[in-house]
Amino acid sequence: DAGITQSPRYKITETGRQVTLMCHQTWSHSYMFWYRQDLGHGLRLIYYSAAADITDKGEVPDGYVVSRSKTENFPLTLESATRSQTSVYFCASRAGTGDTGELFFGEGSRLTVL
Amino acid sequence: GQNIDQPTEMTATEGAIVQINCTYQTSGFNGLFWYQQHAGEAPTFLSYNVLDGLEEKGRFSSFLSRSKGYSYLLLKELQMKDSASYLCAVIDSNYQLIWGAGTKLIIKP
Repeated sequence: DAGITQSPRYKITETGRQVTLMCHQTWSHSYMFWYRQDLGHGLRLIYYSAAADITDKGEVPDGYVVSRSKTENFPLTLESATRSQTSVYFCASRAGTGDTGELFFGEGSRLTVL
Repeated sequence: GQNIDQPTEMTATEGAIVQINCTYQTSGFNGLFWYQQHAGEAPTFLSYNVLDGLEEKGRFSSFLSRSKGYSYLLLKELQMKDSASYLCAVIDSNYQLIWGAGTKLIIKP
């Protein structure tokens, strides 16, 4: 199916382990984003990418790594997970035409770090 | 700093009208979004305002006043399926999207 998909949808891991969350979109959108959503906070931007091989830090990048070797994929890696990274992670994309287009979100990945 | 304020929670009755307010203080303004997010699901786009005034889309309308740093989302003829969180987000002068914490809307029969 076309759209934006995330995997895994649910993940439980332990402190110190490496975790990678996958994001795949089929629209060939230029821009892709990773957000985390925590109770009481708005969506907070972790990293974003304007095109393949171009990534940039958002508001809360510490402890996270991203890559974008192909337009359609934008994986997010937690190199050494901490309890404070327990959250719901949303990947999003938008077309590159203009800077004000709407975002399309994946279904979210719920991560628990024990 | 940049700030977007929305009420944390609102309750309304099925069939009624509700207005969800959003005030913002951001470094510049290039547009405002409203998104709907059902519990456990992803946010979905509702509306976009960049000029002052009211944009109507079926049962939902969104209003913007740039001089007041204010927007509202108006939901008419409320249905139970409108129970969700409503997120306000502003595009600042650097074209970064700044999100409010969201308003949880509870619809009662």
